[in-house]
Amino acid sequence: QKEVEQNSGPLSVPEGAIASLNCTYSDRGSQSFFWYRQYSGKSPELIMFIYSNGDKEDGRFTAQLNKASQYVSLLIRDSQPSDSATYLCAVFKAAGNKLTFGGGTRVLVKP
Amino acid sequence: DAGVIQSPRHEVTEMGQEVTLRCKPISGHDYLFWYRQTMMRGLELLIYFNNNVPIDDSGMPEDRFSAKMPNASFSTLKIQPSEPRDSAVYFCASSLLGANVLTFGAGSRLTVL
Repeated sequence: QKEVEQNSGPLSVPEGAIASLNCTYSDRGSQSFFWYRQYSGKSPELIMFIYSNGDKEDGRFTAQLNKASQYVSLLIRDSQPSDSATYLCAVFKAAGNKLTFGGGTRVLVKP
Repeated sequence: DAGVIQSPRHEVTEMGQEVTLRCKPISGHDYLFWYRQTMMRGLELLIYFNNNVPIDDSGMPEDRFSAKMPNASFSTLKIQPSEPRDSAVYFCASSLLGANVLTFGAGSRLTVL
């Protein structure tokens, strides 16, 4: 079992719709959770992070965390073609100071 | 700040040659990370430094790989000898507060023929 798992996609979403991305992790000791966006041929960039159970909103992005079920999700509202990218889920554990990435979900927003 | 700076951006070399990748972290960041990204394995941590000291090199695939950080503003990742399976994009990242909020460089795309 991989430490951090994501559906590779592609997730095809019409412009203006909500894109829903999921991520599961195996280590219950994980403490914080990150979403990075990576455009083709570019480096990952941080979108947002979440530490506590529940929802966290930042503009059109909402991260959701459920530690009991060991999953994290990212919602992108009013999806735009510029949101087309690969979204990487990353899980941090302070013991070992390690950030582990999932394989990423490719999102395609079609006009 | 110019961000994390990596060089070269692209490197094409032949099997058996030595490859050196370079990284300049963001000034003031205490942590530096080297990651490798491939289609098959995704983004993998190779090694990280804290205050120029290597802390965890458990991700370094084998002895052909080595990394150094002689000062706070420079790090190298060396592969000697290189093999075709080393072909990947190598990212350097730095952070101020450990391995949670990382700023990545643009990456070095390595092709070993």
